[in-house]
Amino acid sequence: QSVLTQPPSVSGAPGQRVTISCTGSSSNIGAGYAVQWYQQLPGTAPKLLIYANTNRPSGVPDRFSGSKSGTSASLAITGLQAEDEADYYCQSYDSSLSVWVFGGGTKLTVL
Amino acid sequence: QVQLQESGPGLVKPSQTLSLTCTVSGDSISSGNYYWSWIRQPAGKGLECIGHIYTSGSTNYNPSLKSRVTISVDTSKNQFSLKLTSVTAADTAVYYCAALNRGKDCFDPWGQGTLVTASS
Repeated sequence: QSVLTQPPSVSGAPGQRVTISCTGSSSNIGAGYAVQWYQQLPGTAPKLLIYANTNRPSGVPDRFSGSKSGTSASLAITGLQAEDEADYYCQSYDSSLSVWVFGGGTKLTVL
Repeated sequence: QVQLQESGPGLVKPSQTLSLTCTVSGDSISSGNYYWSWIRQPAGKGLECIGHIYTSGSTNYNPSLKSRVTISVDTSKNQFSLKLTSVTAADTAVYYCAALNRGKDCFDPWGQGTLVTASS
């Protein structure tokens, strides 16, 4: 049971927009700690997609965007492409556990 | 840019100690820019933070693993290491080293990961 809750799977057709939610609590996202998002392609290490809730590292397409409100955060992917098929993880800090925590991951399928 | 590479045995017997090393290139491990971290991922499952170390030697461990974990740093070799004692099959996972950026609170970059199997 992950501290941050994500849907196990989402799907969309090429060109469509999908969103992935990440629900936390008052000891992590709701406490103001930043949310990060990572993309993990099969057999590879996670790659940073979004940091500090809304910021994209250089090289990440602007099709990826992040948002945060209250105890939740979301990752949106527009103009879905076949190469976006991967697992996506949110991450934040939990002050009750005193540890960095990840969501359980969401598998994105491009139909 | 910073690059990380894990190394160590891929097979550990139950009850023994798992030992891994992460070699850092592209930055001094003493630069103060990062917390040097270990994260693991069992097959088909999510990511779990094990802990991290700062250049000062201060550490932070996941409470669920704290009694069995030691993370240390060797500045002369630009490396940091993980030791996990009394391993069981539940510790079988891909182990990643990663740089936790102090300014951005994000893990970036990551090593490629190394699979460690706890089995007799």
